[in-house]
Amino acid sequence: DAGITQSPRHKVTETGTPVTLRCHQTENHRYMYWYRQDPGHGLRLIHYSYGVKDTDKGEVSDGYSVSRSKTEDFLLTLESATSSQTSVYFCAISSPRIRGAVYTFGSGTRLTVV
Amino acid sequence: DQQVKQNSPSLSVQEGRISILNCDYTNSMFDYFLWYKKYPAEGPTFLISISSIKDKNEDGRFTVFLNKSAKHLSLHIVPSQPGDSAVYFCAGGRVVSGTYKYIFGTGTRLKVLA
Repeated sequence: DAGITQSPRHKVTETGTPVTLRCHQTENHRYMYWYRQDPGHGLRLIHYSYGVKDTDKGEVSDGYSVSRSKTEDFLLTLESATSSQTSVYFCAISSPRIRGAVYTFGSGTRLTVV
Repeated sequence: DQQVKQNSPSLSVQEGRISILNCDYTNSMFDYFLWYKKYPAEGPTFLISISSIKDKNEDGRFTVFLNKSAKHLSLHIVPSQPGDSAVYFCAGGRVVSGTYKYIFGTGTRLKVLA
């Protein structure tokens, strides 16, 4: 996953606590995305960003917030973690293209909420 | 509302034979499609894409076919190799806020038997 790193790789947290996951890119790509992967659901978009301070909601945004204060960093915050947010979280980046755009994904963060 | 469906959760194929993974979509606004491969504990990696203006795209052992009238695409892997054993996701996308926004299917787990 050259150019995109996620931290932490694994985290266990308690129900009700806030959690922040970080995505860092060195590709200077404008667009960044947060997905979650769950069995039977595939990859579902949580939030995405199309520039610094410009973000929008995806399919499953409830309970999540994001921030992007710099091009290279996109933070995903679980405001008050619940067991239903136990999942593997992937960050992705892409650059604008006239026809089609390919996402590059990070290695993921496995989050367990107990 | 699942806009992209992969109805086969798993598939087993003998080494050297053809693997065919299928994907159906409902959103006629999609004009670009991607296939990703995912190994355990890694992020999805891009495999092959196809534009809606084409009906076939080939890259080495991988070929993607698109049937727009049926809203169906398929990924053919010939010949299949044990290293192809992974989860495969298809995705349909369209331009939103200046970039492609993709909806992913639930994935098909391919097992290639040696």
